Amino acid sequence: EPEVTQTPSHQVTQMGQEVILRCVPISNHLYFYWYRQILGQKVEFLVSFYNNEISEKSEIFDDQFSVERPDGSNFTLKIRSTKLEDSAMYFCASRDRAYGYTFGSGTRLTVV
Amino acid sequence: DQQVKQNSPSLSVQEGRISILNCDYTNSMFDYFLWYKKYPAEGPTFLISISSIKDKNEDGRFTVFLNKSAKHLSLHIVPSQPGDSAVYFCAASDRRGTSYGKLTFGQGTILTVHP
Repeated sequence: EPEVTQTPSHQVTQMGQEVILRCVPISNHLYFYWYRQILGQKVEFLVSFYNNEISEKSEIFDDQFSVERPDGSNFTLKIRSTKLEDSAMYFCASRDRAYGYTFGSGTRLTVV
Repeated sequence: DQQVKQNSPSLSVQEGRISILNCDYTNSMFDYFLWYKKYPAEGPTFLISISSIKDKNEDGRFTVFLNKSAKHLSLHIVPSQPGDSAVYFCAASDRRGTSYGKLTFGQGTILTVHP
């Protein structure tokens, strides 16, 4: 069964450093998303990406965040200057036109 | 943002019995609802969905019921098995709007099925 692949599974970074979280969505999917889950809280929408541009973003997705689909297969989330409160599980997801949503296993980001 | 609420943080059920997980929503624009199961250190796994034009959808041991007037949906698992023990998330989407398929999640319910 097709999968959404995320790397790394765990990333530890110092406050103020830049991090890039990587995702390989399912190849024939057209819509891509990043969500995050802070420990003990609900899964929150960050951003959606369609047709090579951001289609919607949440209030959380401020200027410190950016997304890119650099080569037609990878989908990345960059946090420019990490803060302690960015520590969370970050989930990439992709979906097809029929609303078949698939989530990756997540990257646990720990900011120290 | 409390547009999707799961008011029961946990549920404990005996193996073989029915598990009923509940979800309420406030946004009347939501027209598509999904249930996900999540194990620790894994991503959400899709279980079952329902469109707002239906009031019931069934897939094996899983049935989702939608009551649009009450803005309430529930997931029934019959019979419950120990392997069903996980966190269950309700999610909703406004497919007709301009949300591009954004999902709004509830807080999750921890289901424990005892042998």
